[in-house]
Amino acid sequence: EAEVAQSPRYKITEKSQAVAFWCDPISGHATLYWYRQILGQGPELLVQFQDESVVDDSQLPKDRFSAERLKGVDSTLKIQPAELGDSAMYLCASSPTHFGTASTDTQYFGPGTRLTVL
Amino acid sequence: AQSVTQPDIHITVSEGASLELRCNYSYGATPYLFWYVQSPGQGLQLLLKYFSGDTLVQGIKGFEAEFKRSQSSFNLRKPSVHWSDAAEYFCAVGAPNDYKLSFGAGTTVTVRA
Repeated sequence: EAEVAQSPRYKITEKSQAVAFWCDPISGHATLYWYRQILGQGPELLVQFQDESVVDDSQLPKDRFSAERLKGVDSTLKIQPAELGDSAMYLCASSPTHFGTASTDTQYFGPGTRLTVL
Repeated sequence: AQSVTQPDIHITVSEGASLELRCNYSYGATPYLFWYVQSPGQGLQLLLKYFSGDTLVQGIKGFEAEFKRSQSSFNLRKPSVHWSDAAEYFCAVGAPNDYKLSFGAGTTVTVRA
């Protein structure tokens, strides 16, 4: 069964350092999501791509976070510089259909990257 | 904007007993509703979803949920829990023509022998 791949699974960094997370969605999935899940809370959407285009990054702290999906396949989420409050699980998800029908889609989640900022 | 409340932070249930997890949503029209499960250190897995039609929805792993518009609820149930059901459960709501899912804070389920 196809799965969403994420790496690394765990990342420990010091504040003010740069970190990057990688996500490879299920093959053929047009829509890719990055979520942040703070301990004890539900996931919160950071950014959504349809193919290589950003369709929503309204909750992405753009002063320090960036995301790209250059060829419309895999994606990278970067934080520079990392702050203590960025410690969280970063989840990637993908869904097969395009914008406009995504709310009826099933979003398939990867295992996440656990970030700890010291 | 839509939102979800999961009133129970933590539930402990005996193996073989029934389980019910509560979910209340806020949305002006008929929402799209989802239940996800997250095992420790893992991503989320979809258990079931409701878009329209029959208000009783069957999902994987023996779970079901019932949409009650009058109560703005979408409670998850399982008749007999197994130790492997110990996990965190998230209710989520979406809306037509809005791709965003809003998640509740989750309910942690502990299964005792």
